[in-house]
Formats: sequence, structure tokens, C-alpha cells
Amino acid sequence: NAGVMQNPRHLVRRRGQEARLRCSPMKGHSHVYWYRQLPEEGLKFMVYLQKENIIDESGMPKERFSAEFPKEGPSILRIQQVVRGDSAAYFCASSPSGRSSYNSPLHFGNGTRLTVT
Amino acid sequence: AQSVAQPEDQVNVAEGNPLTVKCTYSVSGNPYLFWYVQYPNRGLQFLLKYITGDNLVKGSYGFEAEFNKSQTSFHLKKPSALVSDSALYFCAVRDPMDSSYKLIFGSGTRLLVRP
Repeated sequence: NAGVMQNPRHLVRRRGQEARLRCSPMKGHSHVYWYRQLPEEGLKFMVYLQKENIIDESGMPKERFSAEFPKEGPSILRIQQVVRGDSAAYFCASSPSGRSSYNSPLHFGNGTRLTVT
Repeated sequence: AQSVAQPEDQVNVAEGNPLTVKCTYSVSGNPYLFWYVQYPNRGLQFLLKYITGDNLVKGSYGFEAEFNKSQTSFHLKKPSALVSDSALYFCAVRDPMDSSYKLIFGSGTRLLVRP
């Protein structure tokens, strides 16, 4: 089953450490989206990337957060100097490229649950 | 800017009864609308979508949703609920004027189906 793969599933970091979350999109998909879900809340859009390009980062915090989607390899969401408020589930989703993606749902991974102690 | 409202935090229904989970939206153009379901510690699973055409769309697991343009609503329905339908349900909208194709989600509604 070549679905959206995220790892790790669970990540524990102490305050001040860095967190790296990985996402491999579905086979044939070249668009990646990152969302954050705080406890008992909905999903908040963070960033939209295509290969080697950040297209929309309107939901990304201005500091400490960054994302990339290199030509080869998974997309990475990086959080530097984590704080307790960063504890959340981070979901990656992918979609195919082109105009057909307008009609397509996003396909989600199972998420990475980040806990900052 | 586009937005989605799910006015109910939780919906309780008895098994075998019909269920409705409400959703209203706001976008600048014609909306593309989606419903997803989330089980504990899992990602979101796509249920159904409305792009154009018939206002009543059918999806997975016996769910359907009705698009109502005048009321800007897209309520999720099922004629006969199952205990296994208990989960968190999210409505989402895509604004076709938004070139990033992103989905904007509502806050979610927890559905509890009691035996």
C-alpha cells in the first residue's frame, strides 16, 4: 500500500531541541501539504510544497519552523528550539500535480505526534 | 478568505437511527467541499466530495452529503448509524480561486453512536 508515509509516528523532545518530521507522498504525487492538529482541535494548514519549491507558507509560524521538499527524498518539517506549545500531531498530505488536483482530495498520512517535555 | 464552521462539537445518536453532522462554509467563488473521518491516532480518511453537479453526493461507508448553495451548507448524513461510525468528522473547503489548492478544515465534530 503506497500511501502517504510519515515517520516517526511518535517523537519526544526536550525544550530547546530540534524536531525533524518526515513525509513521503503517495507514489505519483508531487504536492505535499503539512497540517498541525492541536489536542481537541481541527487541522490548521501550515505549508504547501512542490519539489524544490515552497508555494504557500501562509500558515507557518514566522520563527523556528521550516519545511523543504527536495528533488530526491522525503519532505521535512523542521522545528528548531521546540517549546511545550509545539506539542501536537503533525499531518502530511499529498495530491497529484496539475489542474486535476483541484478536484482531488488530499491523501493523509497517519501523522507524527510530537511531545515536548 | 475561506472558512468552515462545524457548529456542533459532538453529536450523539443511537445505533440504527439517522445521523446528521452539520457544516457551513464561506468562500469567494464556487466551493469544492470535502468530508473526512478520523479514527483515534490515525490520519484523515476521505469520505466524499462535492465539486459540481448533483447536490446529493454519495461516499464511502454509506455516507452522503447534501450541498445547499443558498444556505452555504454541506451537511453529512447517514440513514442508519453504526457503532463503528463513532469517530471525529471534519468538513473542508477548497477555494478554486486559491492557487495553492489547500483545504481549509472545520474544527471537527465528534460522533458518538451508542448501541
